[in-house]
Amino acid sequence: EAQVTQNPRYLITVTGKKLTVTCSQNMNHEYMSWYRQDPGLGLRQIYYSMNVEVTDKGDVPEGYKVSRKEKRNFPLILESPSPNQTSLYFCASSPQGYYGSPLHFGNGTRLTVT
Amino acid sequence: SQKIEQNSEALNIQEGKTATLTCNYTNYSPAYLQWYRQDPGRGPVFLLLIRENEKEKRKERLKVTFDTTLKQSLFHITASQPADSATYLCALTGSSGGGADGLTFGKGTHLIIQP
Repeated sequence: EAQVTQNPRYLITVTGKKLTVTCSQNMNHEYMSWYRQDPGLGLRQIYYSMNVEVTDKGDVPEGYKVSRKEKRNFPLILESPSPNQTSLYFCASSPQGYYGSPLHFGNGTRLTVT
Repeated sequence: SQKIEQNSEALNIQEGKTATLTCNYTNYSPAYLQWYRQDPGRGPVFLLLIRENEKEKRKERLKVTFDTTLKQSLFHITASQPADSATYLCALTGSSGGGADGLTFGKGTHLIIQP
């Protein structure tokens, strides 16, 4: 089944403890992206990757890192999480990152930072 | 500044009627407009894409219109069913391409279909 898989689904952590949220897609998509969704603010892009070894900042990149060493994987790294990073995170992919290519989303990771 | 506006208030529709959702935008020249459905706690699911040179697009009970003069898209669900209850998001891609890296989402409209 074609899908975007995120892990974990739920994560509770403490301020400053490094964490990684994994994202993997099995559709051979070139483009991958991370979003966070907060009440009243909607979906906001954190980072995106047009292809392997190519990443770029979205609208809200502060406090996050990403890497794209393989086409299928795009992990999101929080080096020193803070409570304002408590949010619902989504990874998404599309065949190509241009010309309105529709996004396929994962089922989300709900992160709580205390 | 660029803005995408969708009704923030929930839209209540009786089962069997047509639900119409609105997406207005300012300071964009989108080449493409997309609509997604999102259920609580789940990722958005792509529904329809319409290009700037298309006036209307249909898929089963769904219809999308795109008026670049009014800077508005309308999303219709005909013969609505309780299972259509969800939040619907519109998203724009800029005319400069950059495709999904320039995809910006509205905050969504929560649709409730009453049996």
